[in-house]
Parts: sequence; structure tokens; C-alpha cells
Amino acid sequence: QVQLQQWGAGLLKPSETLSLTCAVYGGSFSGYYWSWIRQPPGKGLEWIGEINHSGSTNYNPSLKSRVTISVDTSKNQFSLKLSSVTAADTAVYYCARGIAAAGTDYYYMDVWGKGTTVTVSS
Amino acid sequence: DIQMTQSPSSLSASVGDRVTITCRASQSISSYLNWYQQKPGKAPKLLIFAASSLQSGVPSRFSGSGSGTDFTLTISSLQPEDFATYYCQQSYSTIFTFGPGTKVDIK
Repeated sequence: QVQLQQWGAGLLKPSETLSLTCAVYGGSFSGYYWSWIRQPPGKGLEWIGEINHSGSTNYNPSLKSRVTISVDTSKNQFSLKLSSVTAADTAVYYCARGIAAAGTDYYYMDVWGKGTTVTVSS
Repeated sequence: DIQMTQSPSSLSASVGDRVTITCRASQSISSYLNWYQQKPGKAPKLLIFAASSLQSGVPSRFSGSGSGTDFTLTISSLQPEDFATYYCQQSYSTIFTFGPGTKVDIK
């Protein structure tokens, strides 16, 4: 059974760079897209971006100027960097696996990490 | 970006009730619509993909319908473990967007 384990710094100061990593265990790394999603306290979900095993990326335009998602296929890991953070970036950050239903392009996120709480405060 | 709205934003229901949540897209998204359940302090869980396909392991009391701009998630008989927040999400555009959520709590 595929599991995603994520980690990274939980407390940042304004202007620092957020850095999180998600490791994939128990399943294939190729053939999927790997996403980051965040959820500010008491609010809804915001998709940040995704990457596939070959490094092809797709970012939310609202964050694109500050986001870098990278992949390390040798470790079955992918990472998120978000630069110049402010208090508005305080959120729980989730990694997730994206997949298309067999024989279709109906895409969904079926496996999620447990989330990492990131707080930005001076 | 495609904007997603949900109604109601919250509802109170009793165990055994039939519950319907509506999701609307700002433009036609065919059947590129997924539903997730999230409990407090937990990651979202996929319930329905492609508008009406039940994810493996999800109880059959959950069902989804709709296409184009209007979609519904129905819980046929609400169970205690179903009290949670439900989100719709579109994958028609490569910029994925979620609805604001519908919180289902105990009446």
C-alpha cells in the first residue's frame, strides 16, 4: 500500500524559504503526478503545484513566482520550496499522489500525506 | 481559473438522514469533478472521482452525480463517521481548484 511521508521545518520567519520533502513508500514513483496542497488554519484547500517522475511541473499561477517543486527519483522523493514567505503562507501543507483513471484523463488525488504544519512568524 | 462554489456551507443532520451537497463550477468541466472528505486534523480522503465513480473502499452510501457545471454528492444514510467537511475539486483545467467546503455536523 502506497504511503507518503512528509517532513520539513515547521517554524519560519518572514522572508525565509519554506522547504518540505515527501517520500513515497510501497509503490511506483513513475506514472503519476505528485502534488503539494496547502490549507490555512480554518480555511479550505489550495493546490500549489505538481511534478512527475521526469521533472515536468505544473504550478498554480498565484504562487508560481515563488514556488519550485523538484524530484529525486533515486530516493522516490519530491520536494517543495516556497520563497519569501509571509504570515499568509502559514498553513498545513500536504503532499499527494495524482492519478488518471484507467484509460481516461479523469485526474484525481488518491493518496495523501498526513500534513506538515508550517507557521510563519517573526 | 475555474471557480468552484458549494452549497450549503454547512448543514446539521441526524444519523440516518439523506444528505445532499451541491458543487457548481464557473464554467463547464464535463465530468472532471472529484469529491473529498476531511475530518479535523486529518488529510482529505478521496470519495468520488470523475463525478460519479466511487473510489475503492468507500462505502456505497456515497454517490456522486452531475456534469457540466452542476454536481451533487449524496450520502444516502448518514453514519456517525460521516460527520466531516466535504470538498469538491475540478481537474478539467490544469490549475486544479477546490470548492470552499461543506461542513456536515450533528443535529
